[in-house]
Amino acid sequence: NAGVMQNPRHLVRRRGQEARLRCSPMKGHSHVYWYRQLPEEGLKFMVYLQKENIIDESGMPKERFSAEFPKEGPSILRIQQVVRGDSAAYFCASSPREGPRNYGYTFGSGTRLTVV
Amino acid sequence: SQQGEEDPQALSIQEGENATMNCSYKTSINNLQWYRQNSGRGLVHLILIRSNEREKHSGRLRVTLDTSKKSSSLLITASRAADTASYFCATDAYGYGNKLVFGAGTILRVKS
Repeated sequence: NAGVMQNPRHLVRRRGQEARLRCSPMKGHSHVYWYRQLPEEGLKFMVYLQKENIIDESGMPKERFSAEFPKEGPSILRIQQVVRGDSAAYFCASSPREGPRNYGYTFGSGTRLTVV
Repeated sequence: SQQGEEDPQALSIQEGENATMNCSYKTSINNLQWYRQNSGRGLVHLILIRSNEREKHSGRLRVTLDTSKKSSSLLITASRAADTASYFCATDAYGYGNKLVFGAGTILRVKS
């Protein structure tokens, strides 16, 4: 079991470009969560998805950010027209069906986005 | 504001000493979890303590939970240089949906 796989590990984008971050959850996990971490800070919740459904996107900026978790394939966090303030580490986590009520999250190694 | 807040923000100790980190939160919870993050890596789940539990052990880790004070502590005994990392508490809180809310973390440095 390869755990939660995120790619790419590092991503450099120029201002105005699009960034696509991918996350494959752990086998058997149906819940996916995206978090953003700025340097020296904790993790800020962005979005919670199940297959083909966005359950909670309360932490995601209304503009330029979108997320999906299709029936087949990885979850995608998409940032359009990136700005310098989007530079951060983006972590994906997954959990079994019951979510954090009974289980901890399994985290990926993150994607470090740098906007130049 | 964040549900969980850790203190101290940073802690530096000698190898072999014990390290204690505290976490406070604001609302009622289902459970509280602790995670470790090594520099540049993802978070690793350490321990989960439910709201009806007061203490839990896992190896050199001891977690306590006081729901009346809305606080938790993580004790690492006989620390090692490899324990150097950031430690975060996270709460599965009522009213926050089926997700974890993380605190800002404590940076622990264990000197050998």
